Amino acid sequence: NAGVMQNPRHLVRRRGQEARLRCSPMKGHSHVYWYRQLPEEGLKFMVYLQKENIIDESGMPKERFSAEFPKEGPSILRIQQVVRGDSAAYFCASSPIAMNEKLFFGSGTQLSVL
Amino acid sequence: AQSVTQPDIHITVSEGASLELRCNYSYGATPYLFWYVQSPGQGLQLLLKYFSGDTLVQGIKGFEAEFKRSQSSFNLRKPSVHWSDAAEYFCAVGAHNAGNMLTFGGGTRLMVKP
Repeated sequence: NAGVMQNPRHLVRRRGQEARLRCSPMKGHSHVYWYRQLPEEGLKFMVYLQKENIIDESGMPKERFSAEFPKEGPSILRIQQVVRGDSAAYFCASSPIAMNEKLFFGSGTQLSVL
Repeated sequence: AQSVTQPDIHITVSEGASLELRCNYSYGATPYLFWYVQSPGQGLQLLLKYFSGDTLVQGIKGFEAEFKRSQSSFNLRKPSVHWSDAAEYFCAVGAHNAGNMLTFGGGTRLMVKP
C-alpha cells in the first residue's frame, strides 16, 4: 500500500505563472488536507477536502489559490499568478476518516518562484 | 483558537545524551497532541500522539512524551540520542471537533554531536 504521493517533488515557476500540485491519497482514504510550510516555520493548515467537496478552506489565501479533489484522480492545489512569497513546501495529508490518528503525510512539493 | 509554542528553535546534544524538546499549547479543552519528525527533504512522520488516558505516551524510535494539563505542556523525551535522530521536530495540537486540521508549532531543529 503506497503512502501519500505528491508530485512533483520540486516545481520551479516564474512570477505570474501557474503552479499545479498533485496529491494522491493513500488507498481507501477519502479525506485530504493541504498544509503549507514557509521557510523556517511550522506547517499551516490550508484546506480540507473530502471527495468532490471542500469541507474547510479557512487557511487558504482568498485570491489565486484553489483546491479540488475530484471523484476520480488526485487532489490538485492550484496557485495562479505565483509570486515570490508563494515559495514554500506544500504538504498533503490523507486519512480514511476525519480523525487525527489516521493522518498520513506525503513528502511534499517544494515550490520555488523565481 | 488553539496555538502551539516550541520555545527552542535549535538544540544540540551529544550522541548518547538525553533529550527533552519542549512544547506548550493553548486550547480550551483537552486537546489531541502530536509529535512529528521531519528529516531533510522528507514529509512528516508521526512519532507519538496523545488522545486520552495515560498521560505518558510511548512512541516509535524510543521517544516518549508526557501530557501535563496543569502546565499545558507535552514535552518530548528520549533517554539516549542517536546521530540518526538529527532532524526537525514538530509539536501539533488538534481540536476534538476539527477533524484533522492540526495546528503546528514552529519546530525545533535537533543537531547531534558525535
